[in-house]
Amino acid sequence: LAKTTQPISMDSYEGQEVNITCSHNNIATNDYITWYQQFPSQGPRFIIQGYKTKVTNEVASLFIPADRKSSTLSLPRVSLSDTAVYYCLVGMYSGGGADGLTFGKGTHLIIQP
Amino acid sequence: NAGVMQNPRHLVRRRGQEARLRCSPMKGHSHVYWYRQLPEEGLKFMVYLQKENIIDESGMPKERFSAEFPKEGPSILRIQQVVRGDSAAYFCASSPRAPGTGGQETQYFGPGTRLLVL
Repeated sequence: LAKTTQPISMDSYEGQEVNITCSHNNIATNDYITWYQQFPSQGPRFIIQGYKTKVTNEVASLFIPADRKSSTLSLPRVSLSDTAVYYCLVGMYSGGGADGLTFGKGTHLIIQP
Repeated sequence: NAGVMQNPRHLVRRRGQEARLRCSPMKGHSHVYWYRQLPEEGLKFMVYLQKENIIDESGMPKERFSAEFPKEGPSILRIQQVVRGDSAAYFCASSPRAPGTGGQETQYFGPGTRLLVL
């Protein structure tokens, strides 16, 4: 059973705000939610991490509702360089080994001019 | 502070040969994770190591694959008698603290080693 579910792909345009939602119905009490970005031929890059409510950094915002069964990564005013695969992870390594750390296929975000 | 380093970046091997992949974690990081990524797939966890110890190898194939993280030097992922199905990108990540020791730990990834088995 997949630990997280996110859309396979999304399209948007430069200057728009993009929201990518991830479902994680079985999130555990101690689990954090982490988002990574991956460009072709590169390793994943940490974007943001949160536990509840809202977290914001210079790159993105992360919205987590009270029940924590989903989360939304928000990218403000995207540019062409934001075209990448975005992964949502729950728990990172919490002793779950392979189950806890499989990234899944992520969301392919394509930004058009 | 240099990031996670992996070498070689590209490795070509013929079936039956050995592949040895190296990972130098970020300075001060003693926790290393190895992942494998097949084309058009996400990363799959293979093994988690601390210095001189394998903590979790539940994602590692039972045969031909081994990993180590010696007291001195880089972490090594070794694949013996490679087969074409081993062709993939192998990523290493490091973190400064053990999971669960005061919060979730961010993993910092290297650029990966792309293994091609002919």
